[in-house]
Amino acid sequence: EAGVAQSPRYKIIEKRQSVAFWCNPISGHATLYWYQQILGQGPKLLIQFQNNGVVDDSQLPKDRFSAERLKGVDSTLKIQPAKLEDSAVYLCASSSIDRAVYEQYFGPGTRLTVT
Amino acid sequence: DAKTTQPNSMESNEEEPVHLPCNHSTISGTDYIHWYRQLPSQGPEYVIHGLTSNVNNRMASLAIAEDRKSSTLILHRATLRDAAVYYCCQGTNAGKSTFGDGTTLTVKP
Repeated sequence: EAGVAQSPRYKIIEKRQSVAFWCNPISGHATLYWYQQILGQGPKLLIQFQNNGVVDDSQLPKDRFSAERLKGVDSTLKIQPAKLEDSAVYLCASSSIDRAVYEQYFGPGTRLTVT
Repeated sequence: DAKTTQPNSMESNEEEPVHLPCNHSTISGTDYIHWYRQLPSQGPEYVIHGLTSNVNNRMASLAIAEDRKSSTLILHRATLRDAAVYYCCQGTNAGKSTFGDGTTLTVKP
């Protein structure tokens, strides 16, 4: 079974530029998450989708971050404009609905460096 | 907000048991406790979960305190491949997980 795919793996941009990350979840997984992981910290949930609807985006900085999950499969996370403090690893995870409460499958992440 | 607290780091000798503690004093009655581990440059990997009773699987055991305000992940025989950052999490019924800052486990040969 293929895992969660993310691209790109690494991205370096200057502050005030925009950037987009892509995620393809495990086939059949209805729930999809985006997390931000700052160096030395645990992942912090940014947004949770179930199919193509948003379940929780309470910690998403909506003035600069946006995410969408068209057709309930792939998802993109965008930052516009980026700030220095956005430097982090952005993790995508997916889960089946019945196991979303405790078991998520994570992708390898995208390491973003903002200079 | 839900919050879990863990020691920053722990050490173990190879082939000895390891007990990784976690406090989750704000846990509600329906929240699950789950553990993930993360190797360098990889995403977290599910280890185990529980609600009220102690749990065992092929990777580890989870001991949950009677009041559910703390739990302990037990690795019965640590190997060098178990060296990782271990995260204790609270998960709501809606599937929202709150991760702690993790414990870095070092396994010495």
